[in-house]
Amino acid sequence: DVKVTQSSRYLVKRTGEKVFLECVQDMDHENMFWYRQDPGLGLRLIYFSYDVKMKEKGDIPEGYSVSREKKERFSLILESASTNQTSMYLCASIYVTGRNSNQPQHFGDGTRLSIL
Amino acid sequence: GENVEQHPSTLSVQEGDSAVIKCTYSDSASNYFPWYKQELGKRPQLIIDIRSNVGEKKDQRIAVTLNKTAKHFSLHITETQPEDSAVYFCAASTPRYGGATNKLIFGTGTLLAVQP
Repeated sequence: DVKVTQSSRYLVKRTGEKVFLECVQDMDHENMFWYRQDPGLGLRLIYFSYDVKMKEKGDIPEGYSVSREKKERFSLILESASTNQTSMYLCASIYVTGRNSNQPQHFGDGTRLSIL
Repeated sequence: GENVEQHPSTLSVQEGDSAVIKCTYSDSASNYFPWYKQELGKRPQLIIDIRSNVGEKKDQRIAVTLNKTAKHFSLHITETQPEDSAVYFCAASTPRYGGATNKLIFGTGTLLAVQP
């Protein structure tokens, strides 16, 4: 069974802090994603990565950056946390089985981040 | 830009009744449509998916239908049970980067409450 692990379930940080959210998957998946989930807005894509050291902006990348130094780990970074970044953050991964294939994304348990 | 609209935002049914959730997508190139169920405090989990070369798919009490011409797809749950209570998200995927990545656009979610 695929396991996507996010390092923290709950996190409280202060405005202006640099915040790191970590995600690890154990199934050698190529593609990894970071979403934020807010009531009434669904899941919105922040960044994704399709290979080590490769990253692409999603729909709401402002205020965030990412790092993928190893295939199994994808980190989300809040450069200078602000209160409007208080949210649930979800990591997901997918194994690409071939060109133009679509497979379901596997999600972690989420990190509920509060910025005070 | 790409968009997925989901209705209704909340749905309350009596145990044993059927529930239908509808989604409309904007990108005609979308070719993969997963549905996720998220119970309170838990990760989204795939319950069923359909690809654009299929019009309908069933899995026990759950079915999904796809109308490519109208660009909409629906989730049907029959004989609902209290454990079906959750938030349901639809999503549409468009292949990008030569098909190496499927970027999912999510709907805003439907809170389904099954009353015993």
